[in-house]
Amino acid sequence: GAVVSQHPSRVICKSGTSVKIECRSLDFQATTMFWYRQFPKKSLMLMATSNEGSKATYEQGVEKDKFLINHASLTLSTLTVTSAHPEDSSFYICSARDPSLSTDTQYFGPGTRLTVL
Amino acid sequence: RKEVEQDPGPFNVPEGATVAFNCTYSNSASQSFFWYRQDCRKEPKLLMSVYSSGNEDGRFTAQLNRASQYISLLIRDSKLSDSATYLCVVKEGLTGGGNKLTFGTGTQLKVEL
Repeated sequence: GAVVSQHPSRVICKSGTSVKIECRSLDFQATTMFWYRQFPKKSLMLMATSNEGSKATYEQGVEKDKFLINHASLTLSTLTVTSAHPEDSSFYICSARDPSLSTDTQYFGPGTRLTVL
Repeated sequence: RKEVEQDPGPFNVPEGATVAFNCTYSNSASQSFFWYRQDCRKEPKLLMSVYSSGNEDGRFTAQLNRASQYISLLIRDSKLSDSATYLCVVKEGLTGGGNKLTFGTGTQLKVEL
């Protein structure tokens, strides 16, 4: 199947700093990528849909000025958590869909575990 | 009411047992259905799609009942390596990357010797 990578896999930062997470599709071009967040023992919650060359679409309750998404190329989307606070500590996962395939499968990256002290 | 509901478990079963998970969804417009598997502290991985006619992949069988808005996953001859959290996932549209996936909270399975 298609491969999606994320970097970093884990980050620990101080409260008030900004953290950038990268999501790359390694063997296909993804016009659409998705960003999810998962708190312990909870389900994955979609934060936003990232569209190459246009603004991201945010889900209700997700602050677009706090979670900046950039999808500047067909293989890279970034999520920046600005002025991170302890309540932002979570598992952030991206996914991408390969538009060249007839299936609708989303391929997930390995996730980034963010801990804000 | 949650959009996708699952019994969180855990289901503790002996190796070789048959185990079934259920899932209900609230959005009648949902068209695509999936089971994902998530290991501890890892990303979800697609286990199988679920079709109206039901489908089988080795030891795994998935069923969909649209009238009851109910999805099931049956695992036969369970292995230790099947221990994971199984996520029920629904999608509103049939095709198109813009339709979001809605995840259940997952059902935890522990297969024991």
